[in-house]
Amino acid sequence: NAGVTQTPKFQVLKTGQSMTLQCAQDMNHEYMSWYRQDPGMGLRLIHYSVGAGITDQGEVPNGYNVSRSTTEDFPLRLLSAAPSQTSVYFCASSSTGTGFSTDTQYFGPGTRLTVL
Amino acid sequence: AQSVTQLDSQVPVFEEAPVELRCNYSSSVSVYLFWYVQYPNQGLQLLLKYLSGSTLVESINGFEAEFNKSQTSFHLRKPSVHISDTAEYFCAVRDSGAGSYQLTFGKGTKLSVIP
Repeated sequence: NAGVTQTPKFQVLKTGQSMTLQCAQDMNHEYMSWYRQDPGMGLRLIHYSVGAGITDQGEVPNGYNVSRSTTEDFPLRLLSAAPSQTSVYFCASSSTGTGFSTDTQYFGPGTRLTVL
Repeated sequence: AQSVTQLDSQVPVFEEAPVELRCNYSSSVSVYLFWYVQYPNQGLQLLLKYLSGSTLVESINGFEAEFNKSQTSFHLRKPSVHISDTAEYFCAVRDSGAGSYQLTFGKGTKLSVIP
């Protein structure tokens, strides 16, 4: 049981380039989300999904796209990278059922992205 | 909409001393409350959570937090810290209603334990 995995761990892009950050989970969780972490800002929600085919915007969605074609995968696409998108990106997942254990979000190890 | 305020960005404390990390939240609806911990260069891990019932919740490594509805607070405490507790701690809140899963995080508190 690998939990939540993210690739790559590190990435350097030039301004204007596009790329996809990968996120996968093997816990059959319906809810998945992407956050960015910046120094002194905590974690801010970018996009989230409550199941395959269903996505919605979070607090800071501009410049990012997502899709959810399977329960397991939730990729985050940067359409045209900008220096302001330099950050650490975390993917998280949780169950949407009922019960005490379903309210825990499990986080991946993160992707550190630098945009030059 | 909810918001979370963590009043201290950095807290230095000597080993074996007690510590309190403060968290206040604002919400117009009933909420669930969480503390997550992030060790250097790692993702976040759940430390403890309040959903309902007893307002005092505990973690397996000696931390506890008390939900105070009147003061809208969820402060994290430990009576005696260890070097291994050095990490960043995030308070988070979410709507307790059905179908609401999004977490709102505070800006974090860096706990540094001094030998």
